[in-house]
Amino acid sequence: GQNIDQPTEMTATEGAIVQINCTYQTSGFNGLFWYQQHAGEAPTFLSYNVLDGLEEKGRFSSFLSRSKGYSYLLLKELQMKDSASYLCAVETGGFKTIFGAGTRLFVKA
Amino acid sequence: ETGVTQTPRHLVMGMTNKKSLKCEQHLGHNAMYWYKQSAKKPLELMFVYNFKEQTENNSVPSRFSPECPNSSHLFLHLHTLQPEDSALYLCASSQETSGYNEQFFGPGTRLTVL
Repeated sequence: GQNIDQPTEMTATEGAIVQINCTYQTSGFNGLFWYQQHAGEAPTFLSYNVLDGLEEKGRFSSFLSRSKGYSYLLLKELQMKDSASYLCAVETGGFKTIFGAGTRLFVKA
Repeated sequence: ETGVTQTPRHLVMGMTNKKSLKCEQHLGHNAMYWYKQSAKKPLELMFVYNFKEQTENNSVPSRFSPECPNSSHLFLHLHTLQPEDSALYLCASSQETSGYNEQFFGPGTRLTVL
């Protein structure tokens, strides 16, 4: 079957670094996405990994290991506005994307 | 209008009603999607259209009926729904380029079935 696992909730302090992990088992793999979704809003694109390694984009970085079926999203210099759900998603092919249930991140002062 | 728009934003309907959700994308994309998002559950892909042709129907009950008249518009027709169909329905669009398929989401329609 298709399965994407990520922690349900995490809490971190403003200014700190937080790592959100994602493991996946899917029948196909074209690439892995991370989306951010604030409460009551649409998901928005954060990052994309297709090859192994780290992709850095400002305060956000995403890592992929295809052999281990593992990714993480790293958020640095946390800000209160980073409180949101973070969705890990695998594109399996043919316009089909499988989403994880999301990790709710709470940033406290 | 820019991006992906959805109407209505909120909908309350009885189990015997018939209603439609509308999605419009202003990004020139070729693919459009319907997703269902229930509390604490993953986004569930319902339907995919590529250049107006349905390419995916993820075992969705027939009480949900999609329609894609052109690459910019997508509808979800609803009839005889059940209370468990209450959820956020998200529309998305994408322009696939060499397997890269970033999706742009609309704000969603919050559906409540009484």
